[in-house]
Amino acid sequence: GENVEQHPSTLSVQEGDSAVIKCTYSDSASNYFPWYKQELGKRPQLIIDIRSNVGEKKDQRIAVTLNKTAKHFSLHITETQPEDSAVYFCAAPSGWSNTGKLIFGQGTTLQVKP
Amino acid sequence: DTEVTQTPKHLVMGMTNKKSLKCEQHMGHRAMYWYKQKAKKPPELMFVYSYEKLSINESVPSRFSPECPNSSLLNLHLHALQPEDSALYLCASSQEPAGPSTDTQYFGPGTRLTVL
Repeated sequence: GENVEQHPSTLSVQEGDSAVIKCTYSDSASNYFPWYKQELGKRPQLIIDIRSNVGEKKDQRIAVTLNKTAKHFSLHITETQPEDSAVYFCAAPSGWSNTGKLIFGQGTTLQVKP
Repeated sequence: DTEVTQTPKHLVMGMTNKKSLKCEQHMGHRAMYWYKQKAKKPPELMFVYSYEKLSINESVPSRFSPECPNSSLLNLHLHALQPEDSALYLCASSQEPAGPSTDTQYFGPGTRLTVL
């Protein structure tokens, strides 16, 4: 079955620095890769996603890159701010058939120090 | 309305109680999901409803019983739960359950369940 590995598990950066979180997936049929941000006690919120027909997508300070050959995708946050502190989850769908099943990575706890 | 709502926000129940969690969306989405999330872990899929029919059951114990009364509502009936079932229960919805591409899933705020 599909497996999604996420690294690092924790990441601490100074405010203003960049943060990068990486995920690898096992199913070459996966075609959609969302990133969710979850603040303490809150719901996972979609912050950016990418489909397999593009290699990069950017939304202000957040970008996602996808390397289909290597089967990995990364989240890039530039000019980090304390409010970026949260747990970030990557995900990938399971298999060719879109059943709606998403496989989540184990999460990265990002701490942005003021 | 672009939100998924869930009630109650918090629930404390004994192992012999019967309770229900409720989820609602008015975005016209045809797929709805139940996830369980333990502290510091990713959400784990429990059930998927596609056009109001159960399409995925991830081998969830029968003490959890889902129900989809209509396209906007999703319930999770709880009975004879164990303390290890304490977790955050998240509902999500997406536009279409199946097709050539995967649709974005939007999560509700969750119900924090404690089983005593």
